[in-house]
Amino acid sequence: DIVMTQSPDSVAVSLGERATINCKSSRSILYSSNNKNYLAWYQQKPGQPPKLLIYWASTRQSGVPDRFSGSGSGTDFTLTISSLQAEDVAVYFCQQYYRTPYTFGQGTKLEIK
Amino acid sequence: QVQLVQSGAEVKKPGASVKVSCKASGYTFTSYHLQWVRQAPGQRPEWMGWINTGSGYTKYSQNFQGRVTITRDTSASTAYMELSSLRSEDTAVYYCARELGTAVDAFDIWGQGTMVTVSS
Repeated sequence: DIVMTQSPDSVAVSLGERATINCKSSRSILYSSNNKNYLAWYQQKPGQPPKLLIYWASTRQSGVPDRFSGSGSGTDFTLTISSLQAEDVAVYFCQQYYRTPYTFGQGTKLEIK
Repeated sequence: QVQLVQSGAEVKKPGASVKVSCKASGYTFTSYHLQWVRQAPGQRPEWMGWINTGSGYTKYSQNFQGRVTITRDTSASTAYMELSSLRSEDTAVYYCARELGTAVDAFDIWGQGTMVTVSS
């Protein structure tokens, strides 16, 4: 199985500041034939299912604010929130869909400082 | 609007089976694969398997050692996930989720979740 590891486990950021979450896969999830990274990012708030934010590592899902962006390739990826808003407090997960079983990172809890 | 509505919470004894339903609406049911994901309290989501809602073809995670079965009823636009030989570690919220599109197994639409509690 491809193991997804996020860092940090939790982070506190001031309102309006930048938040950065990292995700590392145990093997490359870049498919050479189409040059796409099979990585998604989700936001989960208590009592709710995960919400898709980013897919193909950097494509923002429809309706997601542009303060959310994704980057990286191969095995190392980053989710950036450019200017933290109060409603961004949540747990964030990365997920690889390169190979089954699809696997998720352990989550990063984002709080307000 | 596009939505997935799941069946209600279940309490089961160890060794029993549970079957969770997921009814789709607002789109053509057979045009998108459906996935099943579970999440134990405070843990990361865990992928269980998916079904091609058109053909009925399924693929499962080997981590469930043959205990999971996913089926669908196209006339009812509903998918089902059955988990057998339940143990306490199976206590979790179970979600169905729709793939974003062909070959894009990121999940854009999720059901509300079904809490399954396994307790003697």
